[in-house]
Amino acid sequence: GAGVSQSPSNKVTEKGKDVELRCDPISGHTALYWYRQSLGQGLEFLIYFQGNSAPDKSGLPSDRFSAERTGGSVSTLTIQRTQQEDSAVYLCASRDSGTINYGYTFGSGTRLTVV
Amino acid sequence: AQTVTQSQPEMSVQEAETVTLSCTYDTSENNYYLFWYKQPPSRQMILVIRQEAYKQQNATENRFSVNFQKAAKSFSLKISDSQLGDTAMYFCASHMNTGFQKLVFGTGTRLLVSP
Repeated sequence: GAGVSQSPSNKVTEKGKDVELRCDPISGHTALYWYRQSLGQGLEFLIYFQGNSAPDKSGLPSDRFSAERTGGSVSTLTIQRTQQEDSAVYLCASRDSGTINYGYTFGSGTRLTVV
Repeated sequence: AQTVTQSQPEMSVQEAETVTLSCTYDTSENNYYLFWYKQPPSRQMILVIRQEAYKQQNATENRFSVNFQKAAKSFSLKISDSQLGDTAMYFCASHMNTGFQKLVFGTGTRLLVSP
């Protein structure tokens, strides 16, 4: 597609439930990132996929968070046993790892609300 | 470690006036890029301007320009002839071309342009 697509746009879930957030990056972009943006805060790095290399998971806040990227394209971020502090906007970004000239392209995010 | 600091949580400017948003960063690398992103209420992160660290000339994009002071590790954004549509959150970010290649963000500056 022309841009980075994320779904759902909004998600309300009950505390303790599992959620899956999806990111469809720009075709051909080998690098894919997940960020979390809590209310009024900057963007916190979560995880980075680069081609077939092992992902950089250094930003995941707990073992309840995991992500995968299938076939080098679509990525899913899973949060197990959601807690209220997980409420945030989750942003996905992709870029062409061959050049930084065009920066990172972000999706519109998924707003997760845990009640 | 890579850090980005934005010390102005909020700024206000009148339409047609000029405003400067501040950003400082810290890195031990020499090969890096700096970015300003705009985030309107739609949540979409929009690339405003980028600067390659090895270039001394300040980047400009229409009404947007930067003052890049490499020795001082300062990267401010100047918006000339402010427009109502410039109202948004503005994030400064750095990307290293070595090691962990991810964007590190500041906490953002909320800019309000009033008529």
